[in-house]
Amino acid sequence: AQTVTQSQPEMSVQEAETVTLSCTYDTSENNYYLFWYKQPPSRQMILVIRQEAYKQQNATENRFSVNFQKAAKSFSLKISDSQLGDTAMYFCAGHKLVFGQGTRLTINP
Amino acid sequence: DVKVTQSSRYLVKRTGEKVFLECVQDMDHENMFWYRQDPGLGLRLIYFSYDVKMKEKGDIPEGYSVSREKKERFSLILESASTNQTSMYLCASSFIGMEASHEQYFGPGTRLTVT
Repeated sequence: AQTVTQSQPEMSVQEAETVTLSCTYDTSENNYYLFWYKQPPSRQMILVIRQEAYKQQNATENRFSVNFQKAAKSFSLKISDSQLGDTAMYFCAGHKLVFGQGTRLTINP
Repeated sequence: DVKVTQSSRYLVKRTGEKVFLECVQDMDHENMFWYRQDPGLGLRLIYFSYDVKMKEKGDIPEGYSVSREKKERFSLILESASTNQTSMYLCASSFIGMEASHEQYFGPGTRLTVT
C-alpha cells in the first residue's frame, strides 16, 4: 500500500520568509500524481499544486513551488514570500488517494 | 465555481444512533469520496464512488456504508454510531480519469460528536 509521510507536525515562520514543507512517499507505480492541499482555519480544503511523476520539471504556481525528487520519493512544497493568508494545515497527497498527516503552518506578522 | 456542500457543519449524536451525512456537488463530477480527518492521522479514505450506484471501500470502511442514488449526491451512513467515530468528515468530488489523477474539490466538513 502506498504511504505518505509528513514529518513536520507544526511549523512557524515570519511573514515574507520562505518556508519548505517536507513530504515523502512510497509507491511501486511508475506513473502517478502528487498533490499539496491547503486547509485554512475553518475553511474548505483547496488544491495548492499538482505534480505529474513523469514530468521532470517541478510544478510552480505563483509563490508555491515543489521540489520533486522521484528517485528519493520526496515531494516538498516551498512557499516564497509567505503571507498571513498562508496560515493553514497543509496536506501532501499521493497516488491511491492517500494523504499525509498534515503540517500546521503559522505565518507570524 | 465548483461547489461541494455537506448537510451539517456540526452534529451531535448518541451512541447506537443511525447517522446520515449527506454531500452534494454541482459540477457533474463522476467521482465522489468520503474521508475522515483526525489530528495526527491526516485524511483517511472511507469509501469512494465512481458512478451512480457504484462504490468502493477505502482504507477504513468498517462501521460505515454509503449510498449514491444520484450522480450529484453521496451519502455516508453510520449504522450504529460509536464514540470512536467522533471525527471530522470530509466529502470530496472529482472528474473521472486515471485513479487519483484529478484535483479533488472538498466540502466544508461535518464535525460529528458521538456521546
